[in-house]
Amino acid sequence: KAGVTQTPRYLIKTRGQQVTLSCSPISGHRSVSWYQQTPGQGLQFLFEYFSETQRNKGNFPGRFSGRQFSNSRSEMNVSTLELGDSALYLCVSSLSGTAREQYFGPGTRLTVT
Amino acid sequence: QKEVEQDPGPLSVPEGAIVSLNCTYSNSAFQYFMWYRQYSRKGPELLMYTYSSGNKEDGRFTAQVDKSSKYISLFIRDSQPSDSATYLCAMSANTDKLIFGTGTRLQVFP
Repeated sequence: KAGVTQTPRYLIKTRGQQVTLSCSPISGHRSVSWYQQTPGQGLQFLFEYFSETQRNKGNFPGRFSGRQFSNSRSEMNVSTLELGDSALYLCVSSLSGTAREQYFGPGTRLTVT
Repeated sequence: QKEVEQDPGPLSVPEGAIVSLNCTYSNSAFQYFMWYRQYSRKGPELLMYTYSSGNKEDGRFTAQVDKSSKYISLFIRDSQPSDSATYLCAMSANTDKLIFGTGTRLQVFP
């Protein structure tokens, strides 16, 4: 079956702009989580959505937001971009959110200049 | 202090060696422990999953969890050049939010 799809794979933005990243989970999966990965901080949890509802949220500022659609596809948005937002953004697909069945997408590499 | 500590490496070993990767943690509520492997320009893939304390073996990989010491390990036997990657430990108190270590870069040379 098809894996987790993330678009776009690479993105270059300027400080102050906003960006929207998209994730299509594995067919039938209802949970989508987002993580930010940087060399200094490693992988950090952003938020998790299950059946269109945000179920858990990490310690990121309000500039980071997300949503999930009825078909389980998810988007995350970052407004007023800062240089420190440059990172690999990873989407995780899960049937119900349990740790043992979390499948990562390839990620979107965001560079803020 | 981070909740999960992991030596970033890099760790360089010859082909066939036994590799030991470790993480320590501070949150006693963690009960789910995972090891992920991440190749360059790819997302992490789940290697091993353990609930609570104990050992788990899968082929050349063995995961150990010692909750009394708040210490987890991943052993790779007969390491191969294809094992060269970054290995991430991850933990969870419940079943959704994962807390990751920063990853250990492993290089296995022929």
